[in-house]
Amino acid sequence: DAEITQSPRHKITETGRQVTLACHQTWNHNNMFWYRQDLGHGLRLIHYSYGVQDTNKGEVSDGYSVSRSNTEDLPLTLESAASSQTSVYFCASSEQGRPYEQYFGPGTRLTVT
Amino acid sequence: GEDVEQSLFLSVREGDSSVINCTYTDSSSTYLYWYKQEPGAGLQLLTYIFSNMDMKQDQRLTVLLNKKDKHLSLRIADTQTGDSAIYFCAEVLVSNTGKLIFGQGTTLQVKP
Repeated sequence: DAEITQSPRHKITETGRQVTLACHQTWNHNNMFWYRQDLGHGLRLIHYSYGVQDTNKGEVSDGYSVSRSNTEDLPLTLESAASSQTSVYFCASSEQGRPYEQYFGPGTRLTVT
Repeated sequence: GEDVEQSLFLSVREGDSSVINCTYTDSSSTYLYWYKQEPGAGLQLLTYIFSNMDMKQDQRLTVLLNKKDKHLSLRIADTQTGDSAIYFCAEVLVSNTGKLIFGQGTTLQVKP
């Protein structure tokens, strides 16, 4: 069955370190998204991609980057982790023109100490 | 502007109906969604409604959309303890393919 996976599921890192969170989907979806979930804020969009080599900034993109070298993967990199980036991160994918089909990964809980 | 508002908490007794409300501000929204998040889990798409519809029913779930008031509601009939979770409403704008704007989430507590 098609799915969307994230790794690691839990990560503890120190301030200033570079961290990469992986997202992999097997639906062959063009659209992929990264959100962060914080209490009182719901989910906020970090970065998104509409296809290979395409990346775009969301509303909370400072301190994060993404790259899209193939259809299946959209890794999220924290260049220099900060305590304010302690959060739960969700990856999602959808098909172009079918916004009623949105699938989310299980999430990565990141703690920056 | 883009903003989605929800009340933060709702408590009901098992067997009662639950109604979770949401307001949005962008009249150009095309699809509106309800997601369920159980503790420690990801988001599960419960249902969605297209903006030209007023109502959608799916088993125990009924979605009502009032476009004039920009109000969306999710009614869960015969609420069960397994329905305890956080419920998020979200919208997607026609100009932002697939980008979801989420509310803060409503925690539904179902008491036995």
